[in-house]
Amino acid sequence: QVQLVQSAAEVKKPGASVSISCKTSGYTFTSHYIHWVRQAPGEGLEWMGTINPSGGSTSYAQKFQGRATMTRDTSTSTVYMELTSLRSEDTAVYYCARRVGAFDIWGQGTMVSVSS
Amino acid sequence: IQLTQSPSSLSASVGDRVTITCRASQGITSYLAWYQQKPGKVPKLLIYAASTLQSGVPSRFSGSGSGTDFTLTISSLQPEDFATYYCQQLNSYPITFGQGTRLEIK
Repeated sequence: QVQLVQSAAEVKKPGASVSISCKTSGYTFTSHYIHWVRQAPGEGLEWMGTINPSGGSTSYAQKFQGRATMTRDTSTSTVYMELTSLRSEDTAVYYCARRVGAFDIWGQGTMVSVSS
Repeated sequence: IQLTQSPSSLSASVGDRVTITCRASQGITSYLAWYQQKPGKVPKLLIYAASTLQSGVPSRFSGSGSGTDFTLTISSLQPEDFATYYCQQLNSYPITFGQGTRLEIK
């Protein structure tokens, strides 16, 4: 079955960087864009950006331009999202999601806590 | 594109018919989806393309609308439907979500 499995929770200090992986399986990796969405505690859903696994092209929300980088490894069907210069406001659950029509399959989420 | 959901919260009883609306700040044709999220869980896709029911989603959920005004209707609330619902536009980047509608038990 189609699955997106994300890496484990992270605890980081302000100013550090975090990299989250999203390993896909059960479908052709290069056929569908992968998106990243985050959700701060008690808040709504916020779209961060997307990557085309086929060619690697990306599009980011303006808020994350220059701080987020999305890459992919076609040999392992895995997408990565790196977020730099972390601050406390980046404390959130980060999700990857596949777009087929809409976001039909989601990863289980990765909690990133930023605290000094 | 901003999405405004109404109401922000709603109390209803099992068996009630419930409607949530989502208004876009500009036209998005039918590029609208609805998600359900329960506390501590991953969002679940209910409706895409404004009115297409995602596979496996009960038929009591339905969506309608196009352009700027959309609705999600639950025809007869079940206990498992109490959750937060989000609309999402996929017409153009940046993709945006509504602020959410919290559906609570009366």
